[in-house]
Amino acid sequence: NAGVTQTPKFQVLKTGQSMTLQCAQDMNHNSMYWYRQDPGMGLRLIYYSASEGTTDKGEVPNGYNVSRLNKREFSLRLESAAPSQTSVYFCASRYGHSYEQYFGPGTRLTVT
Amino acid sequence: GESVGLHLPTLSVQEGDNSIINCAYSNSASDYFIWYKQESGKGPQFIIDIRSNMDKRQGQRVTVLLNKTVKHLSLQIAATQPGDSAVYFCAENLGGGGNKLTFGTGTQLKVEL
Repeated sequence: NAGVTQTPKFQVLKTGQSMTLQCAQDMNHNSMYWYRQDPGMGLRLIYYSASEGTTDKGEVPNGYNVSRLNKREFSLRLESAAPSQTSVYFCASRYGHSYEQYFGPGTRLTVT
Repeated sequence: GESVGLHLPTLSVQEGDNSIINCAYSNSASDYFIWYKQESGKGPQFIIDIRSNMDKRQGQRVTVLLNKTVKHLSLQIAATQPGDSAVYFCAENLGGGGNKLTFGTGTQLKVEL
């Protein structure tokens, strides 16, 4: 049982490049989330998926898109990366009857 | 908008002492609170939670206290150990659909030997 996995662990992009961050969970959780964490700040919700087939915007969705590919996988896409998107990105998942969210190890993204 | 904040950005304690990490929240409709621990280079890890209809909840070496009158949450760690060194976040669930958590900015706990 790997829990929540994220790829890649590190990524450097040039301004304007695109990329997709991958997240998968093997706990059969219904809900999945994408957060960003900037220095000195807490986690801010980008997008979430309450269940397979649904996605909704969080606090800071601009510049991002998501896809809930199936129950296990939830990807985050940056279509045209900007330096302001330099951050650490965390994926999380939650079982339907619990409030606790389980987090992946994070992806450290730098946009130059 | 609503926010969750912490009073102390850094807390230094001696090994073996008790630690108290505080958190203020502003949304009286929040029905659930969680404390997370984040070690350097890792994702947040669940420590303990408490529902809004409770005042206190105890775990192994940790206790969470909730004071709804002043909208205050605290995490107490007994007999602090070097392995407790990390950033601690409180988070509140605002209710409604999707179980969206709002996180505070975090407190760095440093355990001195």
